[in-house]
Amino acid sequence: GDSVTQMEGPVTLSEEAFLTINCTYTATGYPSLFWYVQYPGEGLQLLLKATKADDKGSNKGFEATYRKETTSFHLEKGSVQVSDSAVYFCALSDPGAGSYQLTFGKGTKLSVIP
Amino acid sequence: GAGVSQSPSNKVTEKGKDVELRCDPISGHTALYWYRQSLGQGLEFLIYFQGNSAPDKSGLPSDRFSAERTGGSVSTLTIQRTQQEDSAVYLCASSTEIRDRGQEQYFGPGTRLTVT
Repeated sequence: GDSVTQMEGPVTLSEEAFLTINCTYTATGYPSLFWYVQYPGEGLQLLLKATKADDKGSNKGFEATYRKETTSFHLEKGSVQVSDSAVYFCALSDPGAGSYQLTFGKGTKLSVIP
Repeated sequence: GAGVSQSPSNKVTEKGKDVELRCDPISGHTALYWYRQSLGQGLEFLIYFQGNSAPDKSGLPSDRFSAERTGGSVSTLTIQRTQQEDSAVYLCASSTEIRDRGQEQYFGPGTRLTVT
């Protein structure tokens, strides 16, 4: 079945540091890829998405590029802020394989210190 | 507009009791999903509805779990004879019609279930 693997946390960075959270996937079909974020005490929110190879999703300074050749969708941000402290989840859906639900990675907790 | 709402926000129950968790999707969203989030298992898919029908029940962990949706809107997840391993946060999400690619799901705040 489909699966998502993302780097284990927690990750602690200083403000204005560069962020990368690695995510790789296996899928039966041609999946769509997502990053969701969960801020402390809040629900899951969609951060960005990409639906086909070489697409770049971006939002709030975060970016991720759909790399089919390496089955990856790494999340990056050039300069993190304290307000970016949250848990980040990589996810996929695989409708072509009849799988409309999201399959999530285990999450990476990011803490940004001033 | 209003987002996905879930009730109750917290539920503490004794082992062996039945519980019902409710989800109100975003108005007009025809697809509805249930997931659960636990420390050991991460985020797991349970079931989804397209309208009132549930084409995929493969994620339900046991026959103690069931779900229904009426009127294409509100959904109820029922757990019978609760066990301690059922303790988790149960998340509901909704989306516009099921389509091939890039379907965005909007999540509710969750119901935290604790089985004592």
